[in-house]
Amino acid sequence: GDSVTQMEGPVTLSEEAFLTINCTYTATGYPSLFWYVQYPGEGLQLLLKATKADDKGSNKGFEATYRKETTSFHLEKGSVQVSDSAVYFCAPGGGGGSNYKLTFGKGTLLTVNP
Amino acid sequence: NAGVMQNPRHLVRRRGQEARLRCSPMKGHSHVYWYRQLPEEGLKFMVYLQKENIIDESGMPKERFSAEFPKEGPSILRIQQVVRGDSAAYFCASSPIRELETQYFGPGTRLLVL
Repeated sequence: GDSVTQMEGPVTLSEEAFLTINCTYTATGYPSLFWYVQYPGEGLQLLLKATKADDKGSNKGFEATYRKETTSFHLEKGSVQVSDSAVYFCAPGGGGGSNYKLTFGKGTLLTVNP
Repeated sequence: NAGVMQNPRHLVRRRGQEARLRCSPMKGHSHVYWYRQLPEEGLKFMVYLQKENIIDESGMPKERFSAEFPKEGPSILRIQQVVRGDSAAYFCASSPIRELETQYFGPGTRLLVL
């Protein structure tokens, strides 16, 4: 991706609340799209991905749908848990032959209170 | 199966010294990427290497920075004559040959330049 705009944090929710973290991007072509999560003191972990338009990536109750028309890849979860507290990064690939070149947003800090 | 390993986890250098950061990819991965995360920013792509080859170094600063991935041993990111602005977290990622865009990240090396 050329650039990515991610919802500014921090986001604080109560357990079982609904979560949305918005992400839009600009890119050449149609890149693969990723969400990564970083738990405190750890490296980034791939949370989910989508490789083409209208694909829905999902993992651990999180979902995101590749919207080509709006160049968006919003992250959602229906019922968050305290263990979901982490920093979430939206990351489009470079597109074409450069899909390895991930562009990361600044990250959104999510805190879930019991 | 061990994940991506980076060492040291924390590195303190004085201005003008050299910093050497090491990255051992996941077993079976022959593609390595380095990213830098400056304070309050997202990760930025630096370089993509295969064994003994630099594939894309478009994100590397032109001076003082170099990277290698020898036939044997870990990948090394080397920063010569460090300056305070080099203080950042440096993350390494690796991917399998058939899935370049799915990158697995290490825990990072936090470099502090005094």
